[in-house]
Amino acid sequence: AQKVTQTQTSISVMEKTTVTMDCVYETRDSSYFLFWYKQTASGEIVFLIRQDSYKKENATEGHYSLNFQKPKSSIGLIITATQIEDSAVYFCAMREGRNNNNAPRFGAGTKLSVKP
Amino acid sequence: AQTIHQWPVAEIKAVGSPLSLGCTIKGKSSPNLYWYWQATGGTLQQLFYSITVGQVESVVQLNLSASRPKDDQFILSTEKLLLSHSGFYLCAWSRDWGNTGQLYFGEGSKLTVL
Repeated sequence: AQKVTQTQTSISVMEKTTVTMDCVYETRDSSYFLFWYKQTASGEIVFLIRQDSYKKENATEGHYSLNFQKPKSSIGLIITATQIEDSAVYFCAMREGRNNNNAPRFGAGTKLSVKP
Repeated sequence: AQTIHQWPVAEIKAVGSPLSLGCTIKGKSSPNLYWYWQATGGTLQQLFYSITVGQVESVVQLNLSASRPKDDQFILSTEKLLLSHSGFYLCAWSRDWGNTGQLYFGEGSKLTVL
């Protein structure tokens, strides 16, 4: 069965620094998709970035990038040059397999606070 | 562009009363639709999903039911609310067959059961 674990409950960083959030996952599938989502204080959830399991290259999207370590079943989110607006809860998620309709399973979330 | 809208934004209801939450997607035909529930400070728990009109699959029921009366509409309901139903309900859509599972969420509906 699939499982997604985020052990960092909360992180506090200074503005303009780089932060890494951890996520490990469990799956028996050889093909899967990994996601990071951001939930703002209003409750809005937005998609940030995706890593496909068959791709060796780490995904990047603006000031978000991933550290995909497949042998360790790890997918870390890296935010560079953090801004106050990055303060939010970040969820890691995984969806197994292709061509099915299962929704991603989410981790517990990591609350990021960016201080001026 | 696709848009997803949930209603109502917030509800305060009494234990034992009925509930209906709705979700509408515009600009995307035949999307996969999902209901998630989130306790305060918690993770997202998938409740239901639907790949086509009239078909809904349950993942975790929690004494709730879901229906898809139209291609662009997904409804979550119950006849009798419990205190444990309080939380944040999120509707989401993803592309149909062959998709990666990447979700696009609505604004959410906050439910308080007293």
